[in-house]
Amino acid sequence: EAQVTQNPRYLITVTGKKLTVTCSQNMNHEYMSWYRQDPGLGLRQIYYSMNVEVTDKGDVPEGYKVSRKEKRNFPLILESPSPNQTSLYFCASSSLQGGYTEAFFGQGTRLTVV
Amino acid sequence: QQQVKQSPQSLIVQKGGISIINCAYENTAFDYFPWYQQFPGKGPALLIAIRPDVSEKKEGRFTISFNKSAKQFSLHIMDSQPGDSATYFCAAGTLRSARQLTFGSGTQLTVLP
Repeated sequence: EAQVTQNPRYLITVTGKKLTVTCSQNMNHEYMSWYRQDPGLGLRQIYYSMNVEVTDKGDVPEGYKVSRKEKRNFPLILESPSPNQTSLYFCASSSLQGGYTEAFFGQGTRLTVV
Repeated sequence: QQQVKQSPQSLIVQKGGISIINCAYENTAFDYFPWYQQFPGKGPALLIAIRPDVSEKKEGRFTISFNKSAKQFSLHIMDSQPGDSATYFCAAGTLRSARQLTFGSGTQLTVLP
């Protein structure tokens, strides 16, 4: 089954404690990205990657890091989480072959920073 | 700066009615306009999409209307059903921008039985 898998689904952490949210896709997609979803703000892109070792900032990259060492994995790293990073996070992947293709989203990670 | 403005924020419709969600964009370089549907506890999933070379696209009960000159597009859900209750996001993107999608703020649709 084609899917994007995020872990964990829920996470409560304290300010300043480094954390990583993992994302893995099994569709051999080149393009992967991270979004955060906040009420009234929709989905805002944090970082994206067009292929292995190629990453770039999205609209709200401050406080986040990413890496793309393997095509299937795209972890999101919060080096020093703060309460304003409390949000619902989604990883997505899509193919870069041909024209526009569907973005497949994971089920989300609800992060609470206290 | 929000490049895609979506309205209304919430919408309540009776079963069998028509749901209409509107979006407006600013960047004339956008050349792809998808709509995503999100159920509680799930990630968004592509519902329907349109390119600016057509003014309308219909898939079953779902229709996108596109007005290039007004820089607006809308989603119409005909014969709305309780199972359509979800959050709907419009989005816009361009091939020249590494396929980044800019999303609207979302519309929470409730269809009453």
